[in-house]
Amino acid sequence: GQNIDQPTEMTATEGAIVQINCTYQTSGFNGLFWYQQHAGEAPTFLSYNVLDGLEEKGRFSSFLSRSKGYSYLLLKELQMKDSASYLCAVGDSNYQLIWGAGTKLIIKP
Amino acid sequence: IAGITQAPTSQILAAGRRMTLRCTQDMRHNAMYWYRQDLGLGLRLIHYSNTAGTTGKGEVPDGYSVSRANTDDFPLTLASAVPSQTSVYFCASSTTSGGPDTQYFGPGTRLTVL
Repeated sequence: GQNIDQPTEMTATEGAIVQINCTYQTSGFNGLFWYQQHAGEAPTFLSYNVLDGLEEKGRFSSFLSRSKGYSYLLLKELQMKDSASYLCAVGDSNYQLIWGAGTKLIIKP
Repeated sequence: IAGITQAPTSQILAAGRRMTLRCTQDMRHNAMYWYRQDLGLGLRLIHYSNTAGTTGKGEVPDGYSVSRANTDDFPLTLASAVPSQTSVYFCASSTTSGGPDTQYFGPGTRLTVL
């Protein structure tokens, strides 16, 4: 079967760094996406990895290891507005996205 | 219109009633998708369309139907609603479906079936 695993909830402090992990088992691999979803809102695109390594975009970075079926999203200099759910999704062999349940990130002052 | 719009924003529906959720995009994207999002579960694909005139079944298609008469519109119909269809429904679109394109989401419809 296809499976995406992420922690359900994480807590971090404003100004700190947090790493959200995602492991996956899918039929085929066509890229890994991270989306941000604020409560009551739609998911919005954060990052895309298709090759191994680190992709950096401002305060957010995403890492991929295809051999390990593993990715993480790294958020630096946390701000209160980063309180949201972070969704990991993998493109399968049919180019459909398989979604994890999301990690709810709580930022404390 | 900018991006993707969905209507209604929310709806309370009696079981057994028919309901159509509307989705319109103005980005000229070829591919469109319908997902449902339930607490503790990831987004689950209901139906998709790779291009106008074609549709396909996703992970959880039972009880739902779609049509894609043109590029912009992709309505989702519940023929006879049941309480298990209570959920938040998101419509999304992407440039193509033949590759790992970024999907852009509408604001969602919160549906409650009593």
